[in-house]
Amino acid sequence: DQQVKQNSPSLSVQEGRISILNCDYTNSMFDYFLWYKKYPAEGPTFLISISSIKDKNEDGRFTVFLNKSAKHLSLHIVPSQPGDSAVYFCAASSPTGGSNYKLTFGKGTLLTVNP
Amino acid sequence: GAGVSQTPSNKVTEKGKYVELRCDPISGHTALYWYRQSLGQGPEFLIYFQGTGAADDSGLPNDRFFAVRPEGSVSTLKIQRTERGDSAVYLCASSLLAGTTTSTDTQYFGPGTRLTVL
Repeated sequence: DQQVKQNSPSLSVQEGRISILNCDYTNSMFDYFLWYKKYPAEGPTFLISISSIKDKNEDGRFTVFLNKSAKHLSLHIVPSQPGDSAVYFCAASSPTGGSNYKLTFGKGTLLTVNP
Repeated sequence: GAGVSQTPSNKVTEKGKYVELRCDPISGHTALYWYRQSLGQGPEFLIYFQGTGAADDSGLPNDRFFAVRPEGSVSTLKIQRTERGDSAVYLCASSLLAGTTTSTDTQYFGPGTRLTVL
């Protein structure tokens, strides 16, 4: 069973607009969340993370929001740029549960930003 | 500095053969991880090394899979009697440490080895 779910396989947005990528999780032991970006033929690259003690973390054009009660997080990219076109993976871990190293990934969402 | 490197980038083998996949982590990183990414899926955890020892190998699918890191740097993932279902991209990652009680260290991934079992 998928403990981290990204229900949208793909998303297409116009350059300059906002991209919103969603992620849901089922394991209540998860308390640290990360987003990775992956280009073809490359490994995933870390983008941004958030601890469960926060509900928002911002880094430049990227903001991650966490709703613990809904077990939901989202990644906002504003403004979107064509170079943001990639597969985005949501991942979770459980540091307070003794597993700070094991990442559980979703299936990914392919973002396409059109010029 | 150099990132995580993996060799070979592609490996085609026949069912039943033995394969070795190599990972060179970022210099100084004590933690090393192997993940497997099947088509249409996200990466799945296989094994975690802290230094030379496998601290958690719970993700290895069966005893045909084995990994070593004898000197605490380079790691080799070994697959015996390969099966068609083993076809996937095998990703290696490293991090300075594993993390803390409240966070996970950033894991830096290599480009992966695409394994095809015919």
